[in-house]
Amino acid sequence: GAVVSQHPSRVICKSGTSVKIECRSLDFQATTMFWYRQFPKQSLMLMATSNEGSKATYEQGVEKDKFLINHASLTLSTLTVTSAHPEDSSFYICSARFKRGTGELFFGEGSRLTVL
Amino acid sequence: SQQGEEDPQALSIQEGENATMNCSYKTSINNLQWYRQNSGRGLVHLILIRSNEREKHSGRLRVTLDTSKKSSSLLITASRAADTASYFCATDSVMNTGFQKLVFGTGTRLLVSP
Repeated sequence: GAVVSQHPSRVICKSGTSVKIECRSLDFQATTMFWYRQFPKQSLMLMATSNEGSKATYEQGVEKDKFLINHASLTLSTLTVTSAHPEDSSFYICSARFKRGTGELFFGEGSRLTVL
Repeated sequence: SQQGEEDPQALSIQEGENATMNCSYKTSINNLQWYRQNSGRGLVHLILIRSNEREKHSGRLRVTLDTSKKSSSLLITASRAADTASYFCATDSVMNTGFQKLVFGTGTRLLVSP
């Protein structure tokens, strides 16, 4: 099956620093990648949709200058949390969709960010 | 919010029993998908049902879709302890921008006791 690799799985950083999370589709081309945020025991909230070669489309209420998304190739998207603060602590999950798929998403294992 | 709602929020059953989860959504859709998430992990795709389909089966899973009521249900038959997880429905729609996106429901936490 399709594999999406997300790295790092856990990261702890100090307030004010920036953190980059990578999402790679290992064995398929992903025209679209999605970034979600999940709080404990809650659902996934879509943050942004990332299409290869174009600017990400952010959901309402998500600060694009705060959460920088880059989708430079068909296999890699990155999320950078800039000037992180404790309220940014969360579980971030990326997912990817096949270029010519049926519509299902393949998820990375998630990245747990803790900002001290 | 476009987010769908699921009920029940939590479900506790014994092994061998069936588990039914319901999902309601608000927008028109291309398809509806169900995912499973073990605690602290990513999501795993279970089944996809298209807007012109009414029922679909995959192993012990049965999904129904009623587009007139904007609702779907997931039935897990003969449940096992290993089925313990959170289950999410997700609606796949094309936005005004022309991009597709998947919006997740609130989820059902299923606990299957041996």
